[in-house]
Amino acid sequence: AQSVTQLGSHVSVSEGALVLLRCNYSSSVPPYLFWYVQYPNQGLQLLLKYTSAATLVKGINGFEAEFKKSETSFHLTKPSAHMSDAAEYFCAVSGGGTYKYIFGTGTRLKVLA
Amino acid sequence: DTAVSQTPKYLVTQMGNDKSIKCEQNLGHDTMYWYKQDSKKFLKIMFSYNNKELIINETVPNRFSPKSPDKAHLNLHINSLELGDSAVYFCASSQGESPNSPLHFGNGTRLTVT
Repeated sequence: AQSVTQLGSHVSVSEGALVLLRCNYSSSVPPYLFWYVQYPNQGLQLLLKYTSAATLVKGINGFEAEFKKSETSFHLTKPSAHMSDAAEYFCAVSGGGTYKYIFGTGTRLKVLA
Repeated sequence: DTAVSQTPKYLVTQMGNDKSIKCEQNLGHDTMYWYKQDSKKFLKIMFSYNNKELIINETVPNRFSPKSPDKAHLNLHINSLELGDSAVYFCASSQGESPNSPLHFGNGTRLTVT
């Protein structure tokens, strides 16, 4: 069975500070991992995805994530937070024979002026 | 152009009523989904269709019935609505059944059952 755990349901950072959102996964097969962002009253949008081509994945809006198999982690980072980054972020895993995504419980990012 | 569109955006109804949510995608994708997002933002898959064929049917009450008239449309009909059905329902699509195909979401339908 696959699962993802997002540590911290709420994260606050100052504008210009480093953003770090944590995601750990569990999978019995090589996973496909994704980060999605949800702005208020909107659907989820893909930020980036890991599909085994490279362990460091760059996404949109300056975000990136690093796949670390030894730590079963796929943390999302951005060097400098912007006010427009305030949103809900979801980590997701798929693969393993049953084609369905498993989403984490989400992390709400708040950016302080 | 909206890639995945859902209607209506808001739906307020009383317990016991029957309602439908419609979804259309213009991305040419083969696979469509319904997800339910509860008040704590938890996302759970309900159904998935590939080329009009049901491929995922999670443990969803029989009151929920998806229908896919063609691969660009996936509608959700809900009978005998209950208070616990209140949630945001998202339609999504992806290209093929590959697990590395990202999902494209609609903007959601907020269902409130009173």
